[in-house]
Amino acid sequence: EIVLTQSPATLSLSPGERATLSCRASQSVSSYLAWYQQKPGQAPRLLIYDASNRATGIPARFSGSGSGTDFTLTISSLEPEDFAVYYCQQRSNWPGITFGQGTRLEIK
Amino acid sequence: QVQLQESGPGLVKPSQTLSLTCTVSGGSISSGDYYWSWIRQPPGKGLEWIGYIYYSGSTYYNPSLKSRVTISVDTSKNQFSLKLSSVTAADTAVYYCARGIAAREDFDYWGQGTLVTVSS
Repeated sequence: EIVLTQSPATLSLSPGERATLSCRASQSVSSYLAWYQQKPGQAPRLLIYDASNRATGIPARFSGSGSGTDFTLTISSLEPEDFAVYYCQQRSNWPGITFGQGTRLEIK
Repeated sequence: QVQLQESGPGLVKPSQTLSLTCTVSGGSISSGDYYWSWIRQPPGKGLEWIGYIYYSGSTYYNPSLKSRVTISVDTSKNQFSLKLSSVTAADTAVYYCARGIAAREDFDYWGQGTLVTVSS
């Protein structure tokens, strides 16, 4: 099973700042990595697929990069609604799908 | 707009079988472009993929749950279902159904989730 490790566990920033979230895979997942945002009491929302492609309706301030084992989700300028938990997900080891443990982005 | 809605008991006794149904609206479950999946999230914890089914009935399960999981599809009702047998308190979680894109296997539409508690 491929293990995804997200860092940091918690990130404290202010609105307007740049957020950089990391996801590291225990073995290569090529570019088969997605990012989700989850707010309290809500289902996750797909942000990024195939490492760097924004899902439909996702603002341009969200971007993804990386390949192989190291991936990054960047939020260029934080809006108040961006404070949430973020998960990465891989599907390279098909048909096994795994998620990272999450990064909590909180208001400083 | 595609919508998914989970339904089923919110309380299950230990050793019994958890049964949930997901009703899909706004799109056909028979589309070959998608998989139909179950994902769960224990309270305060992360996400765990349970498995998914293709409209043809082909299934793929998380190896850690495979011996206890059955996912089925009813295309006539545009529904798919989850059965998880021999449940314990560790199976207490919010259960989500979700649509997976076949070419990518990420999840673009999710149900709101339903909390299932395992307790006597």
